[in-house]
Parts: sequence; structure tokens; C-alpha cells
Amino acid sequence: DAGVIQSPRHEVTEMGQEVTLRCKPISGHNSLFWYRQTMMRGLELLIYFNNNVPIDDSGMPEDRFSAKMPNASFSTLKIQPSEPRDSAVYFCASRWGTGLNYGYTFGSGTRLTVV
Amino acid sequence: DAKTTQPPSMDCAEGRAANLPCNHSTISGNEYVYWYRQIHSQGPQYIIHGLKNNETNEMASLIITEDRKSSTLILPHATLRDTAVYYCIVRSNTGNQFYFGTGTSLTVIP
Repeated sequence: DAGVIQSPRHEVTEMGQEVTLRCKPISGHNSLFWYRQTMMRGLELLIYFNNNVPIDDSGMPEDRFSAKMPNASFSTLKIQPSEPRDSAVYFCASRWGTGLNYGYTFGSGTRLTVV
Repeated sequence: DAKTTQPPSMDCAEGRAANLPCNHSTISGNEYVYWYRQIHSQGPQYIIHGLKNNETNEMASLIITEDRKSSTLILPHATLRDTAVYYCIVRSNTGNQFYFGTGTSLTVIP
């Protein structure tokens, strides 16, 4: 089990550029979650998918953020245009089922720095 | 989902038991208590969860009070690698997402 795989691990980009973060959930998991972590706000849920369908995107900060899950094994989080305040660690997590379970499995995160 | 309250930080001597408290006084009957931890620069890691009964696994024990308004995570023999931020979360059986609070920063001291 390779776990939840995120890429890249680190990303440094200039303000105004497009940034795409990638996530491969654990095979067989049918829920996927994107979180953002900053010192000021802690861990925030941005969006989650069930069976590849976005269920709740109320945590997405603004229209510059978009997320897709074209199939069960891949998801992207895109920021366009990026701003310095988007600098954070972005985590992807996946889970099997919607009822009682053993929680999420998180990836190692992508550390984004926008200069 | 119910809110939780945890102390911001705690210290524990290496080899001793670490007892991390959590208050969840507004918990409802169908909400479970979950514990996660986050070691610096890593993603959160599942530790344990429970509903009413005390639970134990290879990592920790979870003690839930009879009225379910509070719980304690116990790391029986803390090691330096247990230094992390520990999050207590309550979530319903049908809830789809976790909301992380500020957690407790545990420092294990040699």
C-alpha cells in the first residue's frame, strides 16, 4: 500500500502563475479530501469528493481555486492566478466508505510558496 | 459536528504515560470521538476512535467518560517520536468530513 501520493512535495512559484497540485488516493477509497494548513488558520477543509463527485466546496476560498477528480485514482487542485497568501501546505486525504470507518489517510502534503 | 476543547500544549517525560484531555460537552449520541496526530511537516495520522466504550490499540488507549462529554487519549510509554500535535475530533457516523481544531502540542522530554 503506497498510501496517498501527492505531488509535488514542494512548489515555489511567482505571484500570478498557475499552480496545479496533484493527488493519487489509495486504491479502492471512494472519498477524497483537500485540506490547507497555515499557521494562522490551522487545518482547513477546502473540498471533498464522493465517488469522484464534488460534494462540498464551501471551504474553497475563492474562484481562483478549483478542484477536479476526473477518475477514482486522480485529483487536482488548481490555483489561478496564485497569490502570496496562498502559501501553505496542502494535504490530500482519502477514505473508504461513508459510515463507520477508521478515519482518513493523509498524504505527505505539498508545501506551496508563492513569491 | 460538536466542537472540542483541548489544552494548547503539554509536556511529558520520556517513558511516562502521556494523558491528553479533550472536552466535547456538546457531543450528540451518534458522534464518535477520533484522535489524530501530526508530526512536524507530515500529514495527520489516525490514532484511535470510539463511541462509548474505552478503546485500545497498538498506539494508544482512549478513555471516554460515561456522560461522553470528555475523553482522554493515553500514550502508555511516551517516546521522543510521540512529540506532535494531537487533535481530538468528534464526528457523526454519517458525517463526511473532519474539522480539525487547534489541537494539543505534546512535547516529550528526554
